[in-house]
Amino acid sequence: EAEVAQSPRYKITEKSQAVAFWCDPISGHATLYWYRQILGQGPELLVQFQDESVVDDSQLPKDRFSAERLKGVDSTLKIQPAELGDSAMYLCASSTRLAGGLVNTGELFFGEGSRLTVL
Amino acid sequence: GQQLNQSPQSMFIQEGEDVSMNCTSSSIFNTWLWYKQDPGEGPVLLIALYKAGELTSNGRLTAQFGITRKDSFLNISASIPSDVGIYFCAGQPLYNFNKFYFGSGTKLNVKP
Repeated sequence: EAEVAQSPRYKITEKSQAVAFWCDPISGHATLYWYRQILGQGPELLVQFQDESVVDDSQLPKDRFSAERLKGVDSTLKIQPAELGDSAMYLCASSTRLAGGLVNTGELFFGEGSRLTVL
Repeated sequence: GQQLNQSPQSMFIQEGEDVSMNCTSSSIFNTWLWYKQDPGEGPVLLIALYKAGELTSNGRLTAQFGITRKDSFLNISASIPSDVGIYFCAGQPLYNFNKFYFGSGTKLNVKP
């Protein structure tokens, strides 16, 4: 069964260090999302890609966060420098478009997530 | 941004009981999704709904797309211990087909 792959599953780092998360979406899925989920809350969108282009990064703290999807397939989310408040689950998700259309199918599939702890 | 109100926040039930939870939005939605998330894992898609009034089942789970297109409901029948987890609703608003918004989750506890 097709899956969204993420790594690492767990990351512990000290504040001011750099961290990076990787995501490989389901094959053929043009839209890729990075979400942040704080314990006890629903996922919140950080950045959305359509192929290799960013279509929404309005909630991404750009002073320390960056994301790229250079070839329109896998993606990397980086935090530098990490702060205590960045401790959270970072979730990658992907979706695909209706054939020939501009609209997502409405199904969003998540990876297992990367749990970040900043000390 | 768009807010989804999900209730209840948590539930404590006995094994074998039925469960209902719901999600409401302030605007019309085009799609409703229901997810289950286990601790330390990513959300897993349970049911996707695309039409007002649509009723869809997945085993003991049944979800409905509200007639007003501003709400959705999830029912779990004859709950079992492995139903424990957090259930999230999510949806795509009519005004933006490429965005997904999430509720804050319903934490389900099932006592054997």
